[in-house]
Amino acid sequence: EAQVTQNPRYLITVTGKKLTVTCSQNMNHEYMSWYRQDPGLGLRQIYYSMNVEVTDKGDVPEGYKVSRKEKRNFPLILESPSPNQTSLYFCASSLDRVHQPQHFGDGTRLSIL
Amino acid sequence: TQLLEQSPQFLSIQEGENLTVYCNSSSVFSSLQWYRQEPGEGPVLLVTVVTGGEVKKLKRLTFQFGDARKDSSLHITAAQPGDTGLYLCAGPLFSGTYKYIFGTGTRLKVLA
Repeated sequence: EAQVTQNPRYLITVTGKKLTVTCSQNMNHEYMSWYRQDPGLGLRQIYYSMNVEVTDKGDVPEGYKVSRKEKRNFPLILESPSPNQTSLYFCASSLDRVHQPQHFGDGTRLSIL
Repeated sequence: TQLLEQSPQFLSIQEGENLTVYCNSSSVFSSLQWYRQEPGEGPVLLVTVVTGGEVKKLKRLTFQFGDARKDSSLHITAAQPGDTGLYLCAGPLFSGTYKYIFGTGTRLKVLA
């Protein structure tokens, strides 16, 4: 089954404790993204990747890191999480950026105390 | 600055009514996509519009892409409670970046 899998689904942690949210897709998609969704602010792109070893900042990259060592995986790293990073996070992938739709994972609800 | 503005933000209507949701930008988009999102889930694609002026229909939903590819609309005929959800327009900016932008969203509630 074609899917985007992200883990964990829920995480409560404390300020400053490094964490990684994993994302994996099985569709051989080139374009992958991370978004955060906050009430009143909608879905905002954090980072995206056009292909292996090619990543770039979205609209809200501060406090996040990503890597794309393999085509299928695109982990999101919070090296020193802060409470303002409490949010609902989505990973997505698409065959290309222009005309192909984004396929989304089920989301990760992250709470940083 | 939000590049894709949707209106209205919230809409509560009775079953059987018609409605239109608008998605506007000052930027040109290569294409625009409409998604629907249910609580606790990721957005799911409804349609992609590519050509300026294009109209696409999906059962009771009609999507239109503006001639200049800066705006789009979603019209729902005879809304049903199953149409309830968050509707999002989104798309790749036309030039200078490889970002993918989402609209502000329209939360629709259809009452039985």
